[in-house]
Amino acid sequence: QVQLVQSGAEVKKPGSSVKVSCKAAGGTFSSYTFNWVRQAPGQGLEWMGRIVPLFDSSHYAQRFQDRFTITADDSASTAYMELRSLRSEDTAVYYCASYSDTSGGLDSWGQGTLVTVSS
Amino acid sequence: SYVLTQTPSVSVAPGKTATITCGGNNIGSKSVQWYQQKPGQAPVLVIHYDSDRPSGIPERISGSNSGNTATLTISRVEAGDEADYYCQVWDTSSDHEGIFGGGTKLTVL
Repeated sequence: QVQLVQSGAEVKKPGSSVKVSCKAAGGTFSSYTFNWVRQAPGQGLEWMGRIVPLFDSSHYAQRFQDRFTITADDSASTAYMELRSLRSEDTAVYYCASYSDTSGGLDSWGQGTLVTVSS
Repeated sequence: SYVLTQTPSVSVAPGKTATITCGGNNIGSKSVQWYQQKPGQAPVLVIHYDSDRPSGIPERISGSNSGNTATLTISRVEAGDEADYYCQVWDTSSDHEGIFGGGTKLTVL
């Protein structure tokens, strides 16, 4: 099972962008599908999108499509998410999580990265 | 888009059985996953493909799915089971977007 380690907490101004990394250890990086899920304070889980490094293919939840990008660097075994035009409502913990056909679900999660958007 | 509905909270005494439901239109035709999340921690997959347990998940935790309701059952509840539980499916009508239920807070009395 892959281990996922995310970059540290970020504090951003409204209107700026944030980029969070997710380094994978164990297994073959390109064999996984990496998803991003966020959780606002006191709220539930919200799926944002995924990338399949093997095919360099990504898909985003409609509400994020215009300001959200997921990329992957196979050589660094790292997936990234970038969220632009940040607003206060984007304050949340952002998780990367890997999907496998074996489980049909998100069976490995990063530790989460808190992104705070505040003026 | 597809919507999953969960009861916000469930309370149960230690040793009893907790039942957490997840409602969705014809959810029985989809594969359902369940995640357990304790405060300050990342979610953990506890049930996949409706009723399968990943390695390390106790047999006290089980799942079922039929019709418009998926169910997570925790038998012989322990204090350590207190957590938020989320159901999740992949929405095949939108290129397998992930859909989560709103979550259920399980309180052990």
